[in-house]
Amino acid sequence: DAMVIQNPRYQVTQFGKPVTLSCSQTLNHNVMYWYQQKSSQAPKLLFHYYDKDFNNEADTPDNFQSRRPNTSFCFLDIRSPGLGDAAMYLCATSLNFNHKGPHFGPGTRLLVL
Amino acid sequence: GENVEQHPSTLSVQEGDSAVIKCTYSDSASNYFPWYKQELGKGPQLIIDIRSNVGEKKDQRIAVTLNKTAKHFSLHITETQPEDSAVYFCAAGGFKTIFGAGTRLFVKA
Repeated sequence: DAMVIQNPRYQVTQFGKPVTLSCSQTLNHNVMYWYQQKSSQAPKLLFHYYDKDFNNEADTPDNFQSRRPNTSFCFLDIRSPGLGDAAMYLCATSLNFNHKGPHFGPGTRLLVL
Repeated sequence: GENVEQHPSTLSVQEGDSAVIKCTYSDSASNYFPWYKQELGKGPQLIIDIRSNVGEKKDQRIAVTLNKTAKHFSLHITETQPEDSAVYFCAAGGFKTIFGAGTRLFVKA
């Protein structure tokens, strides 16, 4: 089945230690998004790619970076995780803007010790 | 930018009753309104959506209505079942999807 896959499902890192979260999709969608979701809150958009074009939300901290080496894969890099970065990180895709979705993966829960 | 408000934040219903969740949006340019169901520890799942040129859409026990003039849209779940218990998010978008704060629905058996 076509889907959005996130690895790992759970990630533990230490304060200040760089961490990378992975997302892959078999939907062949042009747009890939990264959202941050804290407990009992709505998903908050961090950035998105339309193909190779990157768009950062204005309030996304510089500590968060992303890479999309090809259509299928997208990575979220957190350069120096703080305790406040502990959250669920959701990858999502849509075929194009203003199209059905976005379609979310299962998420990676990040714990910062 | 777009702002989406969602009510209520918590909703408890008896199995078999109906549940209604309401949202308002601010940007008249928004033309796509998806609804998501999120179960504990999982990503949000798209359950139904509606575009601004349609007033109502139904899929089995769930329906969405849209009042474009008033910038209101609602999710209706009929004949609720315990497995409907989850957090539901409305969203508004076009170029960018903005989420409401969520409604935690409890269906009591």
